[in-house]
Amino acid sequence: DIQMTQSPSSLSASVGDRVTITCQASQDISNYLNWYQQKPGKAPKLLIYDASNLETGVPSRFSGSGSGTDFTFTISSLQPEDIATYYCQQYDNLLITFGQGTRLEIK
Amino acid sequence: EVQLVESGGGLVQPGGSLRLSCAASGFTFSSYAMHWVRQAPGKGLEYVSAISSNGGSTYYANSVKGRFTISRDNSKNTLYLQMGSLRAEDMAVYYCARVGVPAAMLAWFDPWGQGTLVTVSS
Repeated sequence: DIQMTQSPSSLSASVGDRVTITCQASQDISNYLNWYQQKPGKAPKLLIYDASNLETGVPSRFSGSGSGTDFTFTISSLQPEDIATYYCQQYDNLLITFGQGTRLEIK
Repeated sequence: EVQLVESGGGLVQPGGSLRLSCAASGFTFSSYAMHWVRQAPGKGLEYVSAISSNGGSTYYANSVKGRFTISRDNSKNTLYLQMGSLRAEDMAVYYCARVGVPAAMLAWFDPWGQGTLVTVSS
């Protein structure tokens, strides 16, 4: 299975801060990497697909980059409503795997 | 509006069985592969199973292979997950999710259902 190492596991930042989460794949997954936001008690929501494509309706402060094994998810200016847990997910093959998640809190 | 609604969760004893359903609306269900993902209490997301748009291909994570069966009824716009020989470690919220691209087996997941809780306990 492809292992996805996501870091950090938790993060505390202030409103307006730039926030960065990374995800590293154990082997080359091209750009088959997605990012989801999950708020407490809710289902995950797609934010970024294929590493860098912003899902329709998602605010432009969210962005993604990377290819191969190293990927980055960025919130350019943290807003209070961004408090959530964020997951990366690879779909290079049917052995789909998720990162461990990053819990984002407001400082 | 594209919508997925799960049902069928509940309390089951270890070794028992349960069938989850996922009712789809707002899109051509028969054109999309569907997936199940679960989340144990306080834990991360774990991939469970997939089925192709016509039901001809299925896939299972090793953790559920031989115990769970995924199926679909395209005439009823409904996805199923038959779970057997349930264990304590199967306790989780189970989400159904649609693949993001018609006819593809693999892609991003969008949307997700609201989830249904399966509790395995004696």
